[in-house]
Amino acid sequence: EDKVVQSPLSLVVHEGDTVTLNCSYEVTNFRSLLWYKQEKKAPTFLFMLTSSGIEKKSGRLSSILDKKELFSILNITATQTGDSAVYLCALNAGKSTFGDGTTLTVKP
Amino acid sequence: GAGVSQSPSNKVTEKGKDVELRCDPISGHTALYWYRQSLGQGLEFLIYFQGNSAPDKSGLPSDRFSAERTGGSVSTLTIQRTQQEDSAVYLCASSRDSSGNTIYFGEGSWLTVV
Repeated sequence: EDKVVQSPLSLVVHEGDTVTLNCSYEVTNFRSLLWYKQEKKAPTFLFMLTSSGIEKKSGRLSSILDKKELFSILNITATQTGDSAVYLCALNAGKSTFGDGTTLTVKP
Repeated sequence: GAGVSQSPSNKVTEKGKDVELRCDPISGHTALYWYRQSLGQGLEFLIYFQGNSAPDKSGLPSDRFSAERTGGSVSTLTIQRTQQEDSAVYLCASSRDSSGNTIYFGEGSWLTVV
C-alpha cells in the first residue's frame, strides 16, 4: 500500500527563520511527488518533482527529491507570516496519496 | 471510520452518462472538501462544506457538477452528462473544522470518460 509520511506534524518559527519540511514515501509505481500549500480551503500547487536530485525553486521556496532514499524536502528561507499554512505532500502513483501535512506557523 | 473513504475507486463511464462519487469523511469532522486532479496537474478545488453552513460551490466548473452532504456526514458528488474532459481523480478530504486543522484525504475516485 502506498504511504506518505510528513514531518514534523507542526512547526512554530519566527519571521526570518529557515524551515525544512520532510516527506517520506513508500510506493510501488512512482510517477511524481507534489507539494501544496493549504491556507483555507483550496491548496495551492507549489512543485511537482519527478527526477531525483534536481532542485526546483520558486522565490524563497525550494524542493528536492531523493528517489533512492524515498524522500523529499521543502525548504522555506526567510519565512514570513504569510507562509503560515498547512503544507501537503502528495504522491502520484496512478492514484493520489496525500500525507497528513505539516502545519507551519510563522510568528512576527 | 478510521479514514476518509471514497467509492468507487475506479469508474469508467460513457460520454453523456451521469456518475455519482461518494465520500464518507472521518467521524466527527465537520469540514468536507472535494477536489479534482487531472493527470499531471495540480489540485483543483471544487466545493467545500462546513457544518450546517451553505456550501462554497465556487470551484464547480459547470452546472453539470453538483454535490450534497446529507446529515453532515456522507457527501455525494454528481457529474451529469459526463464529458471526456471530466476524466480525473476526484479527491475528498475532511478536517475537524476549517480553522487550519490537518486535512485528511481519501484515496480518490479515478474517473475515466470514454
